[in-house]
Amino acid sequence: DAEITQSPRHKITETGRQVTLACHQTWNHNNMFWYRQDLGHGLRLIHYSYGVQDTNKGEVSDGYSVSRSNTEDLPLTLESAASSQTSVYFCASSESNRLTATDTQYFGPGTRLTVL
Amino acid sequence: SQQGEEDPQALSIQEGENATMNCSYKTSINNLQWYRQNSGRGLVHLILIRSNEREKHSGRLRVTLDTSKKSSSLLITASRAADTASYFCATYSRGSYIPTFGRGTSLIVHP
Repeated sequence: DAEITQSPRHKITETGRQVTLACHQTWNHNNMFWYRQDLGHGLRLIHYSYGVQDTNKGEVSDGYSVSRSNTEDLPLTLESAASSQTSVYFCASSESNRLTATDTQYFGPGTRLTVL
Repeated sequence: SQQGEEDPQALSIQEGENATMNCSYKTSINNLQWYRQNSGRGLVHLILIRSNEREKHSGRLRVTLDTSKKSSSLLITASRAADTASYFCATYSRGSYIPTFGRGTSLIVHP
């Protein structure tokens, strides 16, 4: 069965370190997204990609970067981790249906990141 | 700011009762979707309603959309303890495939 996985599921790191969170999907979806979820803020979009070599900034992109070298993976990198980046991170993928103008997202299980 | 805002923030009911949660949004949308999130898990898609639809059903779920009031409601009938989760609405503005999620409604169903 197709799925979307994230690793690690839990990560503790120190301020200033570079951290990379992995996201891998086997849906063969063109679109991939990274969100962070914090109490009181719901889900906020960090970066997204519509296909290989395409990346776009979301609402809260400062301090984060992504790269898309193949269809299956969209790793999220925190260049220099800050305590404000302590959060739960979700990756999602989707395949937009331009005929019906709809798009349904499939989410990974999440990565809980703590920055000390 | 959030496009979709769910109301109430939290809801506690007994098994067998109906649960209603609402979503309000600010700008014109192409479609609206509801997702469920169980504790410690990712979001799971429940149902999609297009801007030209007023009501949709899926099992025990009923979704309504009032574009004049820019609001949607999700009704879960005959709730079960397994329905305990957070529920989010996601709006898609016209011409966009990027959803905007609300903060969610936390539903607790007591057995």
